[in-house]
Formats: sequence, C-alpha cells, structure tokens
Amino acid sequence: GAVVSQHPSRVICKSGTSVKIECRSLDFQATTMFWYRQFPKQSLMLMATSNEGSKATYEQGVEKDKFLINHASLTLSTLTVTSAHPEDSSFYICSARDSGQHTGELFFGEGSRLTVL
Amino acid sequence: AQRVTQPEKLLSVFKGAPVELKCNYSYSGSPELFWYVQYSRQRLQLLLRHISRESIKGFTADLNKGETSFHLKKPFAQEEDSAMYYCALSTDSWGKLQFGAGTQVVVTP
Repeated sequence: GAVVSQHPSRVICKSGTSVKIECRSLDFQATTMFWYRQFPKQSLMLMATSNEGSKATYEQGVEKDKFLINHASLTLSTLTVTSAHPEDSSFYICSARDSGQHTGELFFGEGSRLTVL
Repeated sequence: AQRVTQPEKLLSVFKGAPVELKCNYSYSGSPELFWYVQYSRQRLQLLLRHISRESIKGFTADLNKGETSFHLKKPFAQEEDSAMYYCALSTDSWGKLQFGAGTQVVVTP
C-alpha cells in the first residue's frame, strides 16, 4: 500500500531555533498533504492543508508565520517550526492523499516528536 | 460547525465479547465518515469508511443520518483489536479530516 514517510522521527532543539520536518509520499503523488499536531493523550488537531505549488491553508488559530509549510513537489511537504519554544513541543503528523485515487483514504506518516528545551 | 464526538475515552472488554465504539457527528452537509485505528507503536491507518459499507477485521459501522451517528461494532473482540480508534469526518473534496478524541480499546483474555 501507499507509504508516507516523515523525517526526522524525533528531534530535540534549543529554544529559539528552527526545525524542519519533512513528509514524503514514497510511492504515489500527493497534490494535497495535511499537517496535524497531537498532544499527549489527545486527538489529532489539523494545523494546515498543504497544496503543491501554492500557499498552504491554515486552520483557525494556527500561526502561519510560526509554522511554515512548503509543498514544492508532488511527493514532498515540509513543516518548519520557526523560533521554537517549549510550548511547541508536540507530536507532528502528516498525511497525504493519493492524487491518482478517489477513495478518500488518507495515508499517515509515522509522526515526528519535537522537544524544545 | 463540524464536530466529531467519541464519548468513551477507554473501553475495556473481554476477549470474545461484543464491542461498540460510539461516534456522533455534527455537520450540516452530506458527511463522509471514517474509522481510523492506531495500534501500539504504529501509524494511524484506515479501518473503515462509510461509503464502502464493508466489514474489515470483523468490524462494521453504519451511518445513521437520523441519529448523526457512525458507531463501530464487532461481535467478538480479539486481543489484537486492542488499539486506539478514531472516528473522523471529511467535509471537503480534498480529504481534510476532523477527528474525534479517540477511544482506547483494551481487550483482555
């Protein structure tokens, strides 16, 4: 089946630095990818919709200047957490939809755990 | 506003017993509903979608528009069913999903 890969799976950074997380669709093309954030023992919260070749669409309350999303190709979307602070520590998950299929199924990455010291 | 409600945070059942996970939604349009499952140390994956009306791993879910529900059921739970289950609602053609809070299912022998 379709595979979505995230990198890195874990990252620890100092407060004030920026961190980039990659999301790749390995065997399919994805014009649309989604970024979620998950707090411990809580559900997935949609942060933004990443569209290939255009600007991302952010959900209400998500700072677009804080969470930069770039979707430069049909297989790669990146999320950059800028000037990270401890409150940005979380589990970030991406998902992608196969552009060639019409099943509506989303394929999820394994997630990236960010810890900001 | 769209909303997905899973009232049970934890369901503990014995092996062989029936299990039902509740999901209610709020959406004014025509909903597309899914159940996703996350086994321990694995990524989230699709279990069921209401459109396909199929049974996967013995699980079924029926969309009840009158009650705005999409409960997940299995007549005989197995230990390998222990996982986190999320009900999800899609409200656009791009596949954007809104998730419920999730229900942790623990099946004990």
